[in-house]
Amino acid sequence: GAGVSQSPRYKVAKRGQDVALRCDPISGHVSLFWYQQALGQGPEFLTYFQNEAQLDKSGLPSDRFFAERPEGSVSTLKIQRTQQEDSAVYLCASSTRYSNQPQHFGDGTRLSIL
Amino acid sequence: SQQGEEDPQALSIQEGENATMNCSYKTSINNLQWYRQNSGRGLVHLILIRSNEREKHSGRLRVTLDTSKKSSSLLITASRAADTASYFCATGGETSGSRLTFGEGTQLTVNP
Repeated sequence: GAGVSQSPRYKVAKRGQDVALRCDPISGHVSLFWYQQALGQGPEFLTYFQNEAQLDKSGLPSDRFFAERPEGSVSTLKIQRTQQEDSAVYLCASSTRYSNQPQHFGDGTRLSIL
Repeated sequence: SQQGEEDPQALSIQEGENATMNCSYKTSINNLQWYRQNSGRGLVHLILIRSNEREKHSGRLRVTLDTSKKSSSLLITASRAADTASYFCATGGETSGSRLTFGEGTQLTVNP
């Protein structure tokens, strides 16, 4: 399909393990965003890429969170030494280079830390 | 942190009725967007209204924006069971790199 693809859809990890979440944006979309959504809440911004450049990482909750987009397409969000409070749905979105455009979301990765 | 509040938090109506959801925000905006989220899925964009617009329509959706009150409303007319979902408002900036700041959402249930 032509939408934003995220994998895995579900991830269960033990506390202290590292995890990597993948996002494949819509082809040609310059902007890529990561959001974190707690149960029953709206998504909260984590970080933003324009092509391969990470222009805003102000929403990352700690230095255990790291994101990259080395070739300006696929992005990976990595969480090191996971904690129980990291349990959430992680959503990726992409959009075009033009202003006032909607963001297109993937179905997210539901991360559960035991 | 969340941009603002949505009201009501939950709404239950019968098929065919209209549903109105409200959103308030705190800061100046360039645009306001409404998204729908079905359980276990990502967000689907419904409609975007710019800060210089007051009303916008798309099919059965009508969105209003009052920048003086920092509020917006989403009206879904002639609701269907398939409209059952969570609805979120989000404020955005002008550039393509502007993050979205979401409200806490309204859970809409349309009973057949």
